[in-house]
Amino acid sequence: GDSVTQMEGPVTLSEEAFLTINCTYTATGYPSLFWYVQYPGEGLQLLLKATKADDKGSNKGFEATYRKETTSFHLEKGSVQVSDSAVYFCALKDSNDYKLSFGAGTTVTVRA
Amino acid sequence: DVKVTQSSRYLVKRTGEKVFLECVQDMDHENMFWYRQDPGLGLRLIYFSYDVKMKEKGDIPEGYSVSREKKERFSLILESASTNQTSMYLCASSLLGRRQETQYFGPGTRLLVL
Repeated sequence: GDSVTQMEGPVTLSEEAFLTINCTYTATGYPSLFWYVQYPGEGLQLLLKATKADDKGSNKGFEATYRKETTSFHLEKGSVQVSDSAVYFCALKDSNDYKLSFGAGTTVTVRA
Repeated sequence: DVKVTQSSRYLVKRTGEKVFLECVQDMDHENMFWYRQDPGLGLRLIYFSYDVKMKEKGDIPEGYSVSREKKERFSLILESASTNQTSMYLCASSLLGRRQETQYFGPGTRLLVL
C-alpha cells in the first residue's frame, strides 16, 4: 500500500538557519503530495501541496518539489524563524482514494 | 475560511465508559474523517464518511464506531474505552472528489482513559 517516510526528529535550529526535512513515498498510482504543519496546541494546517511530477508547492517561505524519479517531496526553507517551531507532516493521497497517508511527523524547534 | 470544530479539547474518561467525540464543519463538505495521532506514528485513519449515513473503515477501526446523521456532523464513538485509546483525536473534512482536495482539520481532542 501507499506509505510515507520522513526524517526523524527532533530537529533544533538557530534562527535564520536553513531547514530541510526529507520525505520519500511509495505509491502505486499517481499521488498528490502535501506538507501539513501543526503548531503547538493546534490542529493540522495545510502548508503546501503538489499534484503532479515536477510541480513545486510554496507557502510562507517553504518550498517542496514533487520528484517522481526519486519519489521524494523534501521540504525546505532558507531562513527559519522562531515562529516556524512546529511539527511537520508529509502526506500523500492516491488519485483513486479518499484518504491521506501520513508520515510520522518531524518536530522542529527554532531557537532565537 | 473552512471551520472544523470539535466538541472538547480535553477529555478524561474511565475504562469501560462510552465516549462520544463530536465534529462539526461549516463548509458543506461531503467527506469527513477521524484520525488518531500518536507520537512517532503520525496520523492514522480510523473511519471516514463520504455522505450522510455512509461510512468506511480506515486503517485502525477496531474499538471504534462512527455516526453521520447530518452532513455537517461526524461523531466518533468509543463503545467501551480502554487505556490504549488514550490519544489525540483529529477530525477533518474535504470536498467530494479524489485527487487534490485539501483536508481541513479541527483543533483535536486529547483523550485520557484511566
